[in-house]
Amino acid sequence: DTGVSQDPRHKITKRGQNVTFRCDPISEHNRLYWYRQTLGQGPEFLTYFQNEAQLEKSRLLSDRFSAERPKGSFSTLEIQRTEQGDSAMYLCASSLNGYEQYFGPGTRLTVT
Amino acid sequence: KQEVTQIPAALSVPEGENLVLNCSFTDSAIYNLQWFRQDPGKGLTSLLLIQSSQREQTSGRLNASLDKSSGRSTLYIAASQPGDSATYLCAAQNFGNEKLTFGTGTRLTIIP
Repeated sequence: DTGVSQDPRHKITKRGQNVTFRCDPISEHNRLYWYRQTLGQGPEFLTYFQNEAQLEKSRLLSDRFSAERPKGSFSTLEIQRTEQGDSAMYLCASSLNGYEQYFGPGTRLTVT
Repeated sequence: KQEVTQIPAALSVPEGENLVLNCSFTDSAIYNLQWFRQDPGKGLTSLLLIQSSQREQTSGRLNASLDKSSGRSTLYIAASQPGDSATYLCAAQNFGNEKLTFGTGTRLTIIP
């Protein structure tokens, strides 16, 4: 099965530390999306890429957040100077030409 | 701005019953609507996608309908089973915008 994969699955960090998450999309998919989900809520859009170009960023993506997709393959999401409010599930999805989005298992971040 | 609502937030149903989950959206200019399943602490599994030109989609015991004029979609589950217990999320994608706007989900419990 070559679905969307994310690494790590769980991350516990202390406030003020930097963290980086990785997402590997389905191989032929040219679109990659990042969402954030807090407990009891639906996922909220953060940003998306078409190949290596970052085309849209939500206002939720503060300047402490940065995402990259070098060479249009895997993507990384970095959070600098983490805060307790960053604790959430970070979900990655991919699609072919913006059609159906397929999600990965997510990375659960806990900031202590 | 698209807003998606799912009511009720939780639903318990005896095994074997048929049930309907509801999803409403405020902006009828949707490109497609997706239904997802989420198990506790896990990522999202895509169940059905309905394009704006379609009225319904079926997969096994699942049937999803779309009525753009009333801003509603329903997910019908036939002959419910304990394994159907999960949170069900709907998400709308608008024309010209690739992000998905999610509802907060309905947590479904099937009672054996």
